[in-house]
Amino acid sequence: QVTLKESGPGMLQPSKTLSLTCSFSGFSLSTSGMVVSWIRQPSGKSLEWLAAIDWDGDKYYNPSLKSRLTVSKDTSNTQVFLKITSVDTADTATYYCARRRVGITPFDYWGQGVMVTVSS
Amino acid sequence: DIQMTQSPASLSASLGETVTIECRASEDIYNGLAWYQQKPGKSPQLLIYNANSLHTGVPSRFSGSGSGTQYSLKINSLQSEDVASYFCQQYYDYPDTFGAGTKLELK
Repeated sequence: QVTLKESGPGMLQPSKTLSLTCSFSGFSLSTSGMVVSWIRQPSGKSLEWLAAIDWDGDKYYNPSLKSRLTVSKDTSNTQVFLKITSVDTADTATYYCARRRVGITPFDYWGQGVMVTVSS
Repeated sequence: DIQMTQSPASLSASLGETVTIECRASEDIYNGLAWYQQKPGKSPQLLIYNANSLHTGVPSRFSGSGSGTQYSLKINSLQSEDVASYFCQQYYDYPDTFGAGTKLELK
């Protein structure tokens, strides 16, 4: 059974760095073809793909946010991390991690999401 | 980036009715399109992938169609549990992009 779960600080101040963790089970990111992505959704709005990391350690970023994003994974291949630097109120959103297989494929499993509020 | 224009933004329908939601891509996405259902406070759930393939466990009243730049999601015989928001996503080209969503309510 594939499950993913996000964790984060809940609230942070503008200009700080947001650190998020995606912990997953039921698959390993060491398995060829596996990819974990980060997607966010401001309240009442649509979804925005942010970044991804694949089984081989290759990283992909949304060009619109690339300068502020860093995605990484742990050596056990059961956690993926996302850092967003210099946050502001526009980064207030629910952040999801989701799994996909490499190639032209959809997100087949999603975490429950973690809400992050940027406020002074 | 490929822009996804989804319509309508909201939709009110009666139980048992058939509803259709449309998505138009700004360029050909060669059936690299998925539909997701999102209930309040929950994460999106995959319904349809590759434009017309039903994801495992999704009821057969959901179906997808289309090609090129025009795609649609149809829900036959609307059930109360179908009340949700629906999003299209193109995954043909990097970066993935999503439609603005359609909020489906019961009349």
